[in-house]
Amino acid sequence: DAGVTQSPTHLIKTRGQQVTLRCSPKSGHDTVSWYQQALGQGPQFIFQYYEEEERQRGNFPDRFSGHQYPNYSSELNVNALLLGDSALYLCASSLVTIEAFFGQGTRLTVV
Amino acid sequence: AQRVTQPEKLLSVFKGAPVELKCNYSYSGSPELFWYVQYSRQRLQLLLRHISRESIKGFTADLNKGETSFHLKKPFAQEEDSAMYYCALSGLRGSARQLTFGSGTQLTVLP
Repeated sequence: DAGVTQSPTHLIKTRGQQVTLRCSPKSGHDTVSWYQQALGQGPQFIFQYYEEEERQRGNFPDRFSGHQYPNYSSELNVNALLLGDSALYLCASSLVTIEAFFGQGTRLTVV
Repeated sequence: AQRVTQPEKLLSVFKGAPVELKCNYSYSGSPELFWYVQYSRQRLQLLLRHISRESIKGFTADLNKGETSFHLKKPFAQEEDSAMYYCALSGLRGSARQLTFGSGTQLTVLP
């Protein structure tokens, strides 16, 4: 089991552009959560997907959206990128009562 | 609202000395508390959770509901313990559990 895999590992985008990040959960996990980790900070919850629906959302604007596919993989989309969106984006997968397993993250730089 | 506070950004101890990483939380309900660790160039991984009450790599943490604390302790630090440590709280909102992280403590164990 490869665990949680995220792609790409690094990404550079220009302000105003759109970006899509991808996540494959750990085998057997049906819940995917996304986190944003700014430099020097702990991860911040963006949203969680379960059964292809957004089940919970943190304090992030609508520019952040997501999707979950029937195979439980997930995407995070960010529109109209701002310089402040530069961060490490983490995907975590879990079952209902099992702790979250994290991917290596995607480092997004907005210039 | 749920909040996790880790008052020390940096902590240095000598090998063999005891170490305590502090964590305080705020949550109106019954939280689940976790400690996650991130070694250099590795993904965030679970170290321990308060429900299991187990000791991992010599680390223990006791949930003190009166003081709303979940401090991480190890009696004899090892150089391989040097890493970034995050305290996290899992609270139930609706049907979803989301993790709220502290800002982390960088532990350095000196030879």
